[in-house]
Amino acid sequence: AQSVAQPEDQVNVAEGNPLTVKCTYSVSGNPYLFWYVQYPNRGLQFLLKYITGDNLVKGSYGFEAEFNKSQTSFHLKKPSALVSDSALYFCAVRFAEYGNKLVFGAGTILRVKS
Amino acid sequence: DVKVTQSSRYLVKRTGEKVFLECVQDMDHENMFWYRQDPGLGLRLIYFSYDVKMKEKGDIPEGYSVSREKKERFSLILESASTNQTSMYLCASSKAGTGASFGNGTRLTVT
Repeated sequence: AQSVAQPEDQVNVAEGNPLTVKCTYSVSGNPYLFWYVQYPNRGLQFLLKYITGDNLVKGSYGFEAEFNKSQTSFHLKKPSALVSDSALYFCAVRFAEYGNKLVFGAGTILRVKS
Repeated sequence: DVKVTQSSRYLVKRTGEKVFLECVQDMDHENMFWYRQDPGLGLRLIYFSYDVKMKEKGDIPEGYSVSREKKERFSLILESASTNQTSMYLCASSKAGTGASFGNGTRLTVT
């Protein structure tokens, strides 16, 4: 079955420190991978995607993500966190073999403290 | 920018009513999706569609149906609303290989 796991409900980090939000997926083949962010009372915003090519992809607001095929992971990273990065982050996987089904993880709350 | 418009921001319905949630996108996207968002459960896929008149069940299709008669419009139907369908409903659209764009959501309360 296709699934996406975000093992941490919440990640706390101090402003200026690096942050990592974890994501793993379970699927065969070559999925498309995405990260989205949701700020309070707002819709989801697209951050970045991995389709093919370099395993490190760069996205909006200084975020990047590293695709690791052997570990089936796609962790979101940022070298220096900002308080304004505090939000709910979702990892998503598109399974082309299943008619472009797009499945989301449960979400991880990121709290950046000054 | 792609615009995905959901017809209602807030909706209150009674148990047993038939409920229609409408979603329209303006960028000729092939794929459209309906999710519900509940605290601690993330976004769960209800139904999706990759072409006009095509639909596929997501992970939680029970109690829901969908309609896609035109490429730009994807409707979610609750045949007989129940209290456990109280939730935030999110519509999204995308082209193959791109990130999805989301509407602002419809918060449905079933009493």
